[in-house]
Amino acid sequence: DAGVTQSPTHLIKTRGQQVTLRCSPKSGHDTVSWYQQALGQGPQFIFQYYEEEERQRGNFPDRFSGHQFPNYSSELNVNALLLGDSALYLCASSPRGSFVPEQYFGPGTRLTVT
Amino acid sequence: AQKVTQAQTEISVVEKEDVTLDCVYETRDTTYYLFWYKQPPSGELVFLIRRNSFDEQNEISGRYSWNFQKSTSSFNFTITASQVVDSAVYFCALSDYSSASKIIFGSGTRLSIRP
Repeated sequence: DAGVTQSPTHLIKTRGQQVTLRCSPKSGHDTVSWYQQALGQGPQFIFQYYEEEERQRGNFPDRFSGHQFPNYSSELNVNALLLGDSALYLCASSPRGSFVPEQYFGPGTRLTVT
Repeated sequence: AQKVTQAQTEISVVEKEDVTLDCVYETRDTTYYLFWYKQPPSGELVFLIRRNSFDEQNEISGRYSWNFQKSTSSFNFTITASQVVDSAVYFCALSDYSSASKIIFGSGTRLSIRP
């Protein structure tokens, strides 16, 4: 049973560029959440997708956007990259319709902005 | 507002010692969930435990145990007879009714177990 997968593993971008990160949820899960983890800090919630719609959003600017596909996989897009966007981006998935957030996390994508 | 505080930034102990990681949380909701996650150097968050606010029973899983006390809003994590493989960053986290399934993390405690 495959867990949450993310791609790519690492990414280096230049300020002002745009980036797309990808996530495939655990089998049987339909809800995907994205978190940003800056160095030395705990993960911060970016947003959550359910039924292809953004269900909840954290305190992140509109430069951060996402999408969920019919197969429940998801993308995180960040436009106009800033140095401060350098972080580990974690994707988590949850079972269908579950309020209980027993979220399973993927290995993350480490984004470096130079 | 919801908040999780892990006051211990770093802890270092010698192997086989017991160690307790502290966690204090804040929430106005009566329904909420508390979590502990482990993050080894590889970076992946590993789920350890989830407790709901209506179940204050302490839990033990092997060398791991958790003490949930609503009276002090604490959810502490104890590792008994620590091992080098326990070295990691440990996060306490909260999800309450107001935040739906969003998880709010503490800043983490870096645990180093010395041989």
